Amino acid sequence: DTQMTQSPSSLSASIGDRVTITCQASQGIRNYLNWYQQKPGKAPKLLIFDASNLEAGVPSKFSGSGSGTDFTFTISNLQPDDIATYYCQHYDKDVITFGGGTRVEIK
Amino acid sequence: QVQLVQSGAEMKKPGASVRLSCRASGYAFTSYYIHWLRQAPGQRPEWMGILDSSVGRTTYSAKFEGRVTMSRDTSTGTAYLELSRLRSDDTAMYFCARSRGWTAFRIWGQGTLVTVSS
Repeated sequence: DTQMTQSPSSLSASIGDRVTITCQASQGIRNYLNWYQQKPGKAPKLLIFDASNLEAGVPSKFSGSGSGTDFTFTISNLQPDDIATYYCQHYDKDVITFGGGTRVEIK
Repeated sequence: QVQLVQSGAEMKKPGASVRLSCRASGYAFTSYYIHWLRQAPGQRPEWMGILDSSVGRTTYSAKFEGRVTMSRDTSTGTAYLELSRLRSDDTAMYFCARSRGWTAFRIWGQGTLVTVSS
């Protein structure tokens, strides 16, 4: 199975900062990668699909890039409402795997 | 609006079984797949399997094969997850989620907390 390694596991940034999270696949996965935001007690919310496509209704401050084994997720202009845990998720036939998550906090 | 509404919290003893439901509304139930995932406290979501709502075909994660059964009732637009031989490490929030297949999860249920304790 493809392993997804996400880093960092947590980060603390200031309001207005640009935040970057990376996700590395143990083998090439083309662009079969999504990014989710999860707030405490809630289900994950899809932000980016197929590595770089912004989900409808999601602010353009969120963006994703990458292909193959290395992927990046960015939050621009960090705001208090962005405090959450973010997960990458790989999908393919018969397999769905999530990265370990990145907890984003305000400094 | 499109939504998935899950059944309420469950408390079970080790060795028991649990059956959870996920009722769809606002869309054609048989036009989408339903996935089941779970998330233990402080852990990443873990995929359990997929149900083709149209024909009832299922694919399960190898980790749960033999203990899990996914089914559906197309007359009520409800998907079910049954997990048997429960252990304490099955304690988690269980989610259903909708997709077009092996793609992104755009619609999620609110989650059902299952607690396994003697």
